[in-house]
Amino acid sequence: DARVTQTPRDKVTEMGQEVTMRCQPILGHNTVFWYRQTMKQGLELLAYFRNRAPLDDSGMPKDRFSAEMPDATLATLKIQPSEPRDSAVYFCASGTGGTDTQYFGPGTRLTVL
Amino acid sequence: GNSVTQMEGPVTLSEEAFLTINCTYTATGYPSLFWYVQYPGEGLQLLLKATKADDKGSNKGFEATYRKETTSFHLEKGSVQVSDSAVYFCALSRLTGGGNKLTFGTGTQLKVEL
Repeated sequence: DARVTQTPRDKVTEMGQEVTMRCQPILGHNTVFWYRQTMKQGLELLAYFRNRAPLDDSGMPKDRFSAEMPDATLATLKIQPSEPRDSAVYFCASGTGGTDTQYFGPGTRLTVL
Repeated sequence: GNSVTQMEGPVTLSEEAFLTINCTYTATGYPSLFWYVQYPGEGLQLLLKATKADDKGSNKGFEATYRKETTSFHLEKGSVQVSDSAVYFCALSRLTGGGNKLTFGTGTQLKVEL
């Protein structure tokens, strides 16, 4: 049963520290999405990639967030420096370009103290 | 722009009760419509989808019909179980120049009690 995997599952860090979250999309999926979920804002699309190229990162704060796909099996979301308002659950999802169904990972729960 | 509106929760039901969670959307053209479910501590899972008007998506006893005339995609289940307790998200997908993007509603929490 193919699944999207995310690491770490939980991360607690102090303000100002760098945070890196990783995602392994389902093998064969060429589209990867990063979302952030908070009680206040709900689900927000931060960025997404197709064939490893960034298509849209307009939802991401540019000054501190960056997203990359070093290869087809790994997507990363980095926050530097982290702030308490970044505390949220970050989800990665993957899909194929030919369909609009997205498959979500279990999420990374980030707490910035 | 595209948007999805869901009924506010939480919705609390007794086991075996009938469930309806309302969802309406605003979009140009013909979006695909989805229901995703999120169980506590987990990511979202696709529950069902419909890609054109009058299509009915169904899965695990849940159903939703794509109604273009009322721009709605209400989720229904005839008899809920405690295990159905979760947050349900309605979403639409529109193909844009940058690819398919999902627009989510705010989610509706369902609590089913014995």
